[in-house]
Amino acid sequence: GENVEQHPSTLSVQEGDSAVIKCTYSDSASNYFPWYKQELGKRPQLIIDIRSNVGEKKDQRIAVTLNKTAKHFSLHITETQPEDSAVYFCAASRTNTGNQFYFGTGTSLTVIP
Amino acid sequence: DAGVIQSPRHEVTEMGQEVTLRCKPISGHNSLFWYRQTMMRGLELLIYFNNNVPIDDSGMPEDRFSAKMPNASFSTLKIQPSEPRDSAVYFCASSMGAGTGEYEQYFGPGTRLTVT
Repeated sequence: GENVEQHPSTLSVQEGDSAVIKCTYSDSASNYFPWYKQELGKRPQLIIDIRSNVGEKKDQRIAVTLNKTAKHFSLHITETQPEDSAVYFCAASRTNTGNQFYFGTGTSLTVIP
Repeated sequence: DAGVIQSPRHEVTEMGQEVTLRCKPISGHNSLFWYRQTMMRGLELLIYFNNNVPIDDSGMPEDRFSAKMPNASFSTLKIQPSEPRDSAVYFCASSMGAGTGEYEQYFGPGTRLTVT
């Protein structure tokens, strides 16, 4: 089955700096890669996703890049703000076999004001 | 739509008791997922259903756990008997389903289970 690894497990940045979280996956047939943000005590919520036919996707201050050859994808947050502090999870999925998500272990991001 | 609904939001029970967690997916969604979240193990997929049929239950920890989806708008996760190590937050999520082109999973608010 799929194995998703996520690094780092914790990340602290100064407000205004950029944050990068990296994930690798093992199944070359995975074709959908969502990123979820989970604030303390809340449910995970999708913030951005990318499909395997695209190399990069941006949405305001967040972007995701995908390297299918190397089987890794990354989340980039620019101009970080204190409200970006949360746990971020990456996931990989093969959408043609049921859309089951394989989640990474999470990155706890702290933005220091 | 109200989103994915879970009940109860909090459950405290004694070891050995039966626990039933409930989930109502978003109307029109054909896939439903049960996850368990702990600090040690992160987000674990326990079981998922497509069109009310269990597809993969390989994540169910042991025979004490069972899940059902009797219709498109309701699912249960049952633990019997419960043990302290079952303490966790249990999330239900739903999505449009494979083949629809829409893959986002929408999570419910979770049930925080404490087994003493």
